[in-house]
Amino acid sequence: DTGVSQDPRHKITKRGQNVTFRCDPISEHNRLYWYRQTLGQGPEFLTYFQNEAQLEKSRLLSDRFSAERPKGSFSTLEIQRTEQGDSAMYLCASAGRGTQNTGELFFGEGSRLTVL
Amino acid sequence: AQSVTQLDSHVSVSEGTPVLLRCNYSSSYSPSLFWYVQHPNKGLQLLLKYTSAATLVKGINGFEAEFKKSETSFHLTKPSAHMSDAAEYFCVVSGAGNMLTFGGGTRLMVKP
Repeated sequence: DTGVSQDPRHKITKRGQNVTFRCDPISEHNRLYWYRQTLGQGPEFLTYFQNEAQLEKSRLLSDRFSAERPKGSFSTLEIQRTEQGDSAMYLCASAGRGTQNTGELFFGEGSRLTVL
Repeated sequence: AQSVTQLDSHVSVSEGTPVLLRCNYSSSYSPSLFWYVQHPNKGLQLLLKYTSAATLVKGINGFEAEFKKSETSFHLTKPSAHMSDAAEYFCVVSGAGNMLTFGGGTRLMVKP
């Protein structure tokens, strides 16, 4: 399968612990996005990368959140000192140069975080 | 800034009857609009997109949407619902850098 893959698919953690999610985009895609989706809501933009450069961050991305894409390939999203309000589905998406101006993103199946 | 409003959080139809999912948008410039579908435990999938070409856009699985600038609407339709259409549907507007702004979603239920 050559789609966007995310790992882990599910994570249960205790409040105050750190968690890290990984996203592997479609291999030739230079843009990578992170979104967060809470129950009953549409996804909300968190941040995006073009190659290894982080070009935009939402104000939703507090100081406890950090995202990296060190070699312009896979990306990680780390949440430090998790809070119950961080419980959500974290979605990763990628886009290639061919879709740069069309808005079409290819989404992974998401990483569901539950903070107890 | 751009935004989308999906007017119904839940829509229920019988199999074989038409589907209408409503979406209004707000944008300071000519928008790119999309519908994405999310089936349970599946990733979001692009259903169709409008990017200032034809105002009537055809997508996958028999869905269509019509861009109406005068009404700032981009409603999604399908002539005949199928059980497999049951899913969450999101109306989406694209901004700079392909950043997508999603509506709140409409859950479509299809009764046999």
